[in-house]
Amino acid sequence: AQKITQTQPGMFVQEKEAVTLDCTYDTSDQSYGLFWYKQPSSGEMIFLIYQGSYDEQNATEGRYSLNFQKARKSANLVISASQLGDSAMYFCAMREGEFAGSGYSTLTFGKGTMLLVSP
Amino acid sequence: ETGVTQTPRHLVMGMTNKKSLKCEQHLGHNAMYWYKQSAKKPLELMFVYNFKEQTENNSVPSRFSPECPNSSHLFLHLHTLQPEDSALYLCASSQGEGKVTEAFFGQGTRLTVV
Repeated sequence: AQKITQTQPGMFVQEKEAVTLDCTYDTSDQSYGLFWYKQPSSGEMIFLIYQGSYDEQNATEGRYSLNFQKARKSANLVISASQLGDSAMYFCAMREGEFAGSGYSTLTFGKGTMLLVSP
Repeated sequence: ETGVTQTPRHLVMGMTNKKSLKCEQHLGHNAMYWYKQSAKKPLELMFVYNFKEQTENNSVPSRFSPECPNSSHLFLHLHTLQPEDSALYLCASSQGEGKVTEAFFGQGTRLTVV
């Protein structure tokens, strides 16, 4: 079974509008972390935002916010006021075990959503 | 400019060649990773090094051989690859200890096996 599911292969949005990218996850751990990364055509994975399973408030970073619904096991990324430069692949990822007691953290990624922002 | 640098950015190699991918990080991180990104598939973790010691090998074929001479450098040695090994190979690093922190990625090496 997939641990991270991104059901939208592609999304289109007009510049300045908001867009929500869906992510659901599957884990039996009580402690875990959720990440969103952006991958432009250059290939680099750029970290956007992080939500810990015990964080009571939804994470926000500038125009990015994470709509965390723990009971539904969803961690949707909301991008407000889209810009042309937001066109890229977006990946949701999970690290099981929020505290890296082992000294490192391995991520499980979803298949990604391609976002295209039009003028 | 990313804190994780990968070279080369593009590589074309024959199935009988031997080549190496290089990754360097200047972030003071303890853990380094190799991921493989094939078309239409999620990123797959290949190897993890923590404090220069290999801690995970996700059933990767022996034609891929990692090397971590110090905490700042990570190599992936390639030999007798197959066409299905063509992919984007991404290196990443992270803080490691304590609370989970994000991994920082390089721009990747686009590998084509002919």
